[in-house]
Amino acid sequence: AQSVTQPDIHITVSEGASLELRCNYSYGATPYLFWYVQSPGQGLQLLLKYFSGDTLVQGIKGFEAEFKRSQSSFNLRKPSVHWSDAAEYFCAVGARGGATNKLIFGTGTLLAVQP
Amino acid sequence: DVKVTQSSRYLVKRTGEKVFLECVQDMDHENMFWYRQDPGLGLRLIYFSYDVKMKEKGDIPEGYSVSREKKERFSLILESASTNQTSMYLCASSEPRGQETQYFGPGTRLLVL
Repeated sequence: AQSVTQPDIHITVSEGASLELRCNYSYGATPYLFWYVQSPGQGLQLLLKYFSGDTLVQGIKGFEAEFKRSQSSFNLRKPSVHWSDAAEYFCAVGARGGATNKLIFGTGTLLAVQP
Repeated sequence: DVKVTQSSRYLVKRTGEKVFLECVQDMDHENMFWYRQDPGLGLRLIYFSYDVKMKEKGDIPEGYSVSREKKERFSLILESASTNQTSMYLCASSEPRGQETQYFGPGTRLLVL
């Protein structure tokens, strides 16, 4: 069965510092991979996704993620964090070849940004 | 611009009441989803629909039902609300292919007293 692990429940970084949020998945083949962000009181917004090709994926708001098949990981990175990046971040996986596009979400990482 | 709307942002109900949560999308998407979000548990799929009048159970369907009479509208029904259904409920829609993005509504925070 598919599963997603986000090992960090809560992360605090200083504004301007770099950021890496971890995501590990369990799936028998290469899944579709997504990162979503949820600002306080809002729904989820897609940051980026991977489904084939280049393993380094660029997203919105200066985020990127790298798919590493050997490590079953899809970590999210940003070189310089802004205060507005404070939010909750969710990694998700979807199965290939299915009739629908159900996703399995991780439990989320809450990011706090210090001035 | 893509839009998913949910009928209420906040809702307070009493135990045993029948509760309807409505979701409307304007993107002509085939797939629609209902999730609940709880701290430390992430998003869990309750039900999804891949066409009008078609539905399939997700991971936690117990205590819930759904209705999809029109393509743009997907309703989540709590037949008899209980306190353990206090949660944030998120609706999403998408095209049916696996790599397609799910677009989310703003959520309904339900409190059952």
